[in-house]
Amino acid sequence: AQKITQTQPGMFVQEKEAVTLDCTYDTSDQSYGLFWYKQPSSGEMIFLIYQGSYDEQNATEGRYSLNFQKARKSANLVISASQLGDSAMYFCAMSLYGNNRLAFGKGNQVVVIP
Amino acid sequence: DSGVTQTPKHLITATGQRVTLRCSPRSGDLSVYWYQQSLDQGLQFLIQYYNGEERAKGNILERFSAQQFPDLHSELNLSSLELGDSALYFCASSRLAGDSTDTQYFGPGTRLTVL
Repeated sequence: AQKITQTQPGMFVQEKEAVTLDCTYDTSDQSYGLFWYKQPSSGEMIFLIYQGSYDEQNATEGRYSLNFQKARKSANLVISASQLGDSAMYFCAMSLYGNNRLAFGKGNQVVVIP
Repeated sequence: DSGVTQTPKHLITATGQRVTLRCSPRSGDLSVYWYQQSLDQGLQFLIQYYNGEERAKGNILERFSAQQFPDLHSELNLSSLELGDSALYFCASSRLAGDSTDTQYFGPGTRLTVL
């Protein structure tokens, strides 16, 4: 079974600053996928970025980048140039090859202040 | 907009009742997943269907059941409802069945309140 850990307390970040959200995972599988989702106060779950366990380069999607350190089993999300609309809960999730179910962490709350 | 639709958006019902949540996946997606989000349990995987067949089961109670129809829409049936079943229920869809690279796109959720 896979386990995702997100332990940071709620974070306040200044608009236009960068913020890093920590995520560590635990699995004995070699083939897996790591995902980040955003959940604003309206409740929907929005896919942000994906990193495969065999990907050699860190994933990037616009202002989102994933700092993947396989040996340390960490997959931190970096949001650059924060905007007010980035205020939300952010979830790290993992799926294993052959088993698509997502296992989620408990989430990181981010509040962007002007 | 993810392309995944869920109805209804809100549902308020009483204990002991039965409800049906409906989900339509993105065009071209064959897998449908159901997740439950509650304050105490967080986000939990319930069940997955792929092209009409049950593919994987998670922490789904025996009072809950699901199915995927030939047009690929899915329904989650919750019966003998208890107060603790109050939660946000998400449907997600993806193209494949067991590939860890396959991104799941989530619908807007159905917020169930059991009184």
